[in-house]
Amino acid sequence: GEDVEQSLFLSVREGDSSVINCTYTDSSSTYLYWYKQEPGAGLQLLTYIFSNMDMKQDQRLTVLLNKKDKHLSLRIADTQTGDSAIYFCAESMWDYGQNFVFGPGTRLSVLP
Amino acid sequence: ETGVTQSPTHLIKTRGQQVTLRCSSQSGHNTVSWYQQALGQGPQFIFQYYREEENGRGNFPPRFSGLQFPNYSSELNVNALELDDSALYLCASSPLAGDHPNTGELFFGEGSRLTVL
Repeated sequence: GEDVEQSLFLSVREGDSSVINCTYTDSSSTYLYWYKQEPGAGLQLLTYIFSNMDMKQDQRLTVLLNKKDKHLSLRIADTQTGDSAIYFCAESMWDYGQNFVFGPGTRLSVLP
Repeated sequence: ETGVTQSPTHLIKTRGQQVTLRCSSQSGHNTVSWYQQALGQGPQFIFQYYREEENGRGNFPPRFSGLQFPNYSSELNVNALELDDSALYLCASSPLAGDHPNTGELFFGEGSRLTVL
């Protein structure tokens, strides 16, 4: 069945790099996404990658996609305290309508 | 450009009651999706509306129903509320054109937090 998995917690020091990992199940997913959720707020899109790409870089964010292993990662360079949030990996399925399947989220804590 | 707005932001109901949640989509977006986010979990797809018709549904019972209006706003209705329905309900809009998705980015509102006692 459809399942997206992530580790639940990650702690880093301010200024270090953070790497958040995700595995997904559907090799037919067209796009894979990273969303950020701050306390009490909705989800905000950080970045996405098309399934025929291996890497995408956007300022401090680098997304790596290993389609063979169905593994997606998000690297945040020079992590700041404002990056503390929950990060969700999601895959887009086109079955009947456009259904996003989200992982459980990784809670990133940035320590000063 | 107005973003996705949801109302109410918080509400408390008791078991067996009915609830209606409302969503105004972002300007120019014709597709609305609803997600349920239980505490500590990722959002789960409930359904999607396009051109006032349901265009996809997740694994939720029929007591979860919805509507989309000509101005693309939407409602989520839940009948016979159960304790497990307590969650953050997120509405998301997207500029889905016809049946060919674009990058599929979803624009989320801040959610309606429902507590069922």
